[in-house]
Amino acid sequence: GESVGLHLPTLSVQEGDNSIINCAYSNSASDYFIWYKQESGKGPQFIIDIRSNMDKRQGQRVTVLLNKTVKHLSLQIAATQPGDSAVYFCAENIRIQGAQKLVFGQGTRLTINP
Amino acid sequence: NAGVMQNPRHLVRRRGQEARLRCSPMKGHSHVYWYRQLPEEGLKFMVYLQKENIIDESGMPKERFSAEFPKEGPSILRIQQVVRGDSAAYFCASSRRESAYEQYFGPGTRLTVT
Repeated sequence: GESVGLHLPTLSVQEGDNSIINCAYSNSASDYFIWYKQESGKGPQFIIDIRSNMDKRQGQRVTVLLNKTVKHLSLQIAATQPGDSAVYFCAENIRIQGAQKLVFGQGTRLTINP
Repeated sequence: NAGVMQNPRHLVRRRGQEARLRCSPMKGHSHVYWYRQLPEEGLKFMVYLQKENIIDESGMPKERFSAEFPKEGPSILRIQQVVRGDSAAYFCASSRRESAYEQYFGPGTRLTVT
């Protein structure tokens, strides 16, 4: 069935270190993947996206890697800051019978230690 | 340009009452998506609407839940005869066109059923 899951539910890193959040997906037909950041009490905030015909995309301090062979997605955050503490979700865009929808993973809680 | 607005932000209902959640999309957006999030979980798609049309309601429970997006006014998610299991955060997202690429999320409504 359709599912997007994460390897680790929690991750703690020291401020200034790099962090990597992983995500596995199961729908081979997904054409688009997105990482969201959700802070406590707020809605998801777009971080970065990648289309299925790419394997890497870089933003400001963030990089998303896509490995379609093993259906794996990762988010790398460089030089983490306290403001990076949040829950991070991967999501895949799937098309079913002409309609599109986002399927979210469970989420990884990232904690930045001072 | 105001973002996606949702109200109320917090809603408390007793079992058996009705809950009405409102979502005003971003200006110029005519596509609305509703998601539900249980504690410590990812967002689950519920319904996708365009003005006056329900496009995809595959994630909506068959009973007690309904959604609308009238020609004028906000989108409404209605839950009749609420039960404790309905307690969750409900998020609305909007986009200019049918695209996962451009979904912007609101702050959510946290429903508590007592």
